[in-house]
Parts: sequence; C-alpha cells; structure tokens
Amino acid sequence: EVQLLESGGGLVQPGGSLRLSCAASGFTFSSYAMSWVRQAPGKGLEWVSRISSGDDTADSAYYADSVKGRFTSSRDNSKNTLYLQMNSLRAEDTAVYYCAKPRSEIDGFDVWGQGTMVTVSS
Amino acid sequence: DIQMTQSPSSLSASIGDRVTITCRASQSISSYLHWYQQKPGKAPKLLIYVASSFQSGVPSRFSGSGSGTDFTLTISSLHPEDFATYYCQQSYSTPFTFGPGTKVHIK
Repeated sequence: EVQLLESGGGLVQPGGSLRLSCAASGFTFSSYAMSWVRQAPGKGLEWVSRISSGDDTADSAYYADSVKGRFTSSRDNSKNTLYLQMNSLRAEDTAVYYCAKPRSEIDGFDVWGQGTMVTVSS
Repeated sequence: DIQMTQSPSSLSASIGDRVTITCRASQSISSYLHWYQQKPGKAPKLLIYVASSFQSGVPSRFSGSGSGTDFTLTISSLHPEDFATYYCQQSYSTPFTFGPGTKVHIK
C-alpha cells in the first residue's frame, strides 16, 4: 500500500524551530518530487515547498514566498523520508502540514499523508 | 506567481443536482490544473488531474474541462457523500498555487 506518514509536529514558541518528517512506503520514493502543503485552521490549502527527485537535490527545492529563507526541504532516499526544517516560526505558520506525492512530474498529488499539526504560540 | 480564483466560494445544492465549479488562472497554465475534494479533518483527495483526466476510483459523475486560464469541475448528479470543499491547483510553475476553495453545502 502506498503511504505517507508525517511526524514531528507540536507546540513551539514564536521564533523557534521544528523539523517535520514524512516516511514514505509502497512506491519508489527516490523517483518522485515531493511537496509539503499546509492548511491553517479553518483556511484553505497552501503549497509550501517542492523538492526534486533523485539524490542531487541541493539546488532543486522551491518554496512559497511566505516561507522562503525560513524553511528548508530535504530528503533521504536511503530512508525513504522527506523532511521540512522550519526555523524562525511565526504564529501564521500554525497549520496542519501534509506531505504529498504527485502522480508524475507535472500531475496532481495522488497520495497525501494524514497531516501533522504545528502550533506556534507563546 | 500564478494566482488561482474559484467561483462560487460556496453553494447550496440538493441531492441529484448538477453542480459546476469554476477555476481561473491569472495566466495560461495549459492543462496543468487539478481538482481535489476535502472533507473536514481529512487530507485532500485527488479527483481530476491535468484538467480532465479521472483519478482511479473517482466516480464518473465527476468531470473536468478547460485549458489555458479557465477550467470547470462538474458533478453531474450530487450524492450525499459529495458535500465537501473543492480546490483547484496548478502545477504549471512553482509556487504550485491552490484556489481558495468552494464549499458545497446541503440545501
């Protein structure tokens, strides 16, 4: 079964850091670009970042303007795991964070994790 | 960045109604437009990809059309399980923006 499982969410103070993980199974993880999508409470979906497939991903991650310079996406293909390092967190980063797999390079996201909640509050 | 708009933002409909939701991109995105259904507390579910292709397992009452900047999602006959929020999303270029959503209510 194709599956994504996020972890690492929690309560963090403004200015703090958190690292989310997304464990993938049931498909060839290294072959797919992966994305993070978030949803603030009661709000719509917001795409956060995308990291290219393969192992050479140093210059192949893209970010929403709202997180650029604060969030870093990375992957460990040997562990079938996607990461999102979140620094300088703000109240407006409070959301459920989903990792998502596309059908193909340009297709929609056909597999989503269950989401992990991040709350930024003092 | 490509901006996505949807209309209406919400609608009320009855079981059996035909429902059409519109999505518009701020510039041409060819057919790189996808539709999702989301129910409260759940992850989104892909319904239609590249404007008009059916995701496996999605009922045939859902269909998509359009290209360039204007797209539609149609539910031919509304079922009770279709009451949800629907989002469009473009993958033509990053950032892969989503529309603001259309909430389908029971009339």
